[in-house]
Amino acid sequence: QVQLQESGPGLVKPSETLSLTCSVSGDSIRSYYWSWIRQPPGKGLEWIGYIYDGGKTNYNPSLESRVTISLDMSKNQFSLNLRSVTAADTAVFYCARQGGNYADTVFDSWGQGTLVTVSS
Amino acid sequence: SYVLTQPPSVSVAPGQTARITCGGHNIGTKSVHWYRQKPGQAPVLVVYDDSDRPSGIPDRFSGSNSGNMATLIISRVEAGDEADYYCQVWHSSGVFGSGTGVTVL
Repeated sequence: QVQLQESGPGLVKPSETLSLTCSVSGDSIRSYYWSWIRQPPGKGLEWIGYIYDGGKTNYNPSLESRVTISLDMSKNQFSLNLRSVTAADTAVFYCARQGGNYADTVFDSWGQGTLVTVSS
Repeated sequence: SYVLTQPPSVSVAPGQTARITCGGHNIGTKSVHWYRQKPGQAPVLVVYDDSDRPSGIPDRFSGSNSGNMATLIISRVEAGDEADYYCQVWHSSGVFGSGTGVTVL
């Protein structure tokens, strides 16, 4: 059974870069799509983007100019960089597998989430 | 961008049926997935491809999708069904509905 675990700083200063890593166990990141999703406190879910097939990416158009998702196959991890953050980027960030046991548009396995606060 | 509209809240008595709607332009032509999120937890897939259930999800959960509206149906509601529910589709990118809080009276 696949397991995902987010890690990274819980506090980032405005204008800096938010960096998170998702460690995957029980499955290889060489298969499927691997997504980042965020949820501001008390609000809904927002898809950030995914990476697949060794490095191909697709990003939410609203965030595309500030986002980079990358893979480290040697560690079975994928990462998120979100540049020039503001307080509006404060959220719980989830990593998720997409297209695992079901259709390739389905997020079928999620990490527990990590709260990142943007504040000076 | 593609917008999915959900009612903010739905209340239902135990044992009754809850219906959670998700509106979107021609949503009937898309595959709709539903997630349940309890406080402090990650979302969990409860229905995919409009009406299919992942393993481990009871058959009390079902769905439909036609025209401009998709619906998640929870039959014989239990106290443990109290949560936020989100619909999701793919429209060149992932799109989530605004979420519906289900309260079990």
